[in-house]
Amino acid sequence: DGGITQSPKYLFRKEGQNVTLSCEQNLNHDAMYWYRQDPGQGLRLIYYSQIVNDFQKGDIAEGYSVSREKKESFPLTVTSAQKNPTAFYLCASKGGETQYFGPGTRLLVL
Amino acid sequence: AQSVTQPDIHITVSEGASLELRCNYSYGATPYLFWYVQSPGQGLQLLLKYFSGDTLVQGIKGFEAEFKRSQSSFNLRKPSVHWSDAAEYFCAVGGTGGFKTIFGAGTRLFVKA
Repeated sequence: DGGITQSPKYLFRKEGQNVTLSCEQNLNHDAMYWYRQDPGQGLRLIYYSQIVNDFQKGDIAEGYSVSREKKESFPLTVTSAQKNPTAFYLCASKGGETQYFGPGTRLLVL
Repeated sequence: AQSVTQPDIHITVSEGASLELRCNYSYGATPYLFWYVQSPGQGLQLLLKYFSGDTLVQGIKGFEAEFKRSQSSFNLRKPSVHWSDAAEYFCAVGGTGGFKTIFGAGTRLFVKA
């Protein structure tokens, strides 16, 4: 089955801790994206990658980092510099002109 | 600037009634237009998309949308709403060679019995 997987479904972060959200796709798409979703604010772009070993900051990149070492994988690290990390995080990949989304990870702060 | 506006934050319709969700966009080139649906705690699912051709587009789950260039609109419709349609709906716009897709803020649909 082709698709996008995100793990874990729920993630808890302690203050000062870095956490990494996983995103994997087997759709053979070059472009991948990370969005943050807060209630009433729609989707905000954190980072995107057009190709392996390349990525660009989106609109709200501060406090986040990414890597793109493999075509299938685009992990997002929420660093301790991100002071308000509680949100729903969505990963997407793009085939043609269409973005396809994973099921999301909800990050909560302890 | 590129933008997408969904004027209605939330809409309530009765089960069996018709539905129209509004979407207006601003885009400098020929737009690619999308509607997605999101159930609580889930990712976004593509309902339909418009790239070119017939301006009335059919999607999954009985939804359709009409592209009106003169009005810069891409409204989503369904003739008879089911309780399972209760969700949040996002309109989005992209373009040829562009790597970003611009999403609207979403419209939450409530369905009453």
